[in-house]
Amino acid sequence: NTKITQSPRYLILGRANKSLECEQHLGHNAMYWYKQSAEKPPELMFLYNLKQLIRNETVPSRFIPECPDSSKLLLHISAVDPEDSAVYFCASSQWDRANERLFFGHGTKLSVL
Amino acid sequence: QQQVRQSSQSLTVWEGETAILNCSYENSAFDYFPWYQQFPGEGPALLIAIRSVSDKKEDGRFTIFFNKREKNLSLHIKDSQPGDSATYFCAASGNSNNRIFFGDGTQLVVKP
Repeated sequence: NTKITQSPRYLILGRANKSLECEQHLGHNAMYWYKQSAEKPPELMFLYNLKQLIRNETVPSRFIPECPDSSKLLLHISAVDPEDSAVYFCASSQWDRANERLFFGHGTKLSVL
Repeated sequence: QQQVRQSSQSLTVWEGETAILNCSYENSAFDYFPWYQQFPGEGPALLIAIRSVSDKKEDGRFTIFFNKREKNLSLHIKDSQPGDSATYFCAASGNSNNRIFFGDGTQLVVKP
């Protein structure tokens, strides 16, 4: 899937700061961060519509999203915790059809030492 | 309270059989039910979806049967292939917001 690119693909961290990056080439106006722990469904973390943060789920404050433009999404993580080990997916959609189809990237697998 | 439930965490079938994955939901306001397919190391991808005004949706070997009165639905995969081995997430949403609720997923294994 080259329509939504995420980097890095794998990340191993101690208690450090890092940013995950995502870019979508679909012309969508809504972008999302999802967290997927092992053998669990994706859980919505953040949602951006036209660069505006619409919904911020109950997520630890060490996760800070940023949307520099409508096609890019960042997730800044500070002082990671072992419970943060998971795969982080970026997704996008058209806002007026957001409930119909989400397009997901390949994800960033975060392993916390 | 979990909004979407999938009855089986895992399911194993032989190649050529029909795999049946079951799902139920709580909220009567849900009117759109997508199924997402996820292969290891990849993100989920929309496989097939149904609206609550229909009771059946077919796309090739994949069919959704929907029962609005009972608030349940099932995904049938006809002539299962080893390449169908993946995790399948039932999901639901309503028009009132753009939130999608995922079930816990069913891991399907198709043995050759």
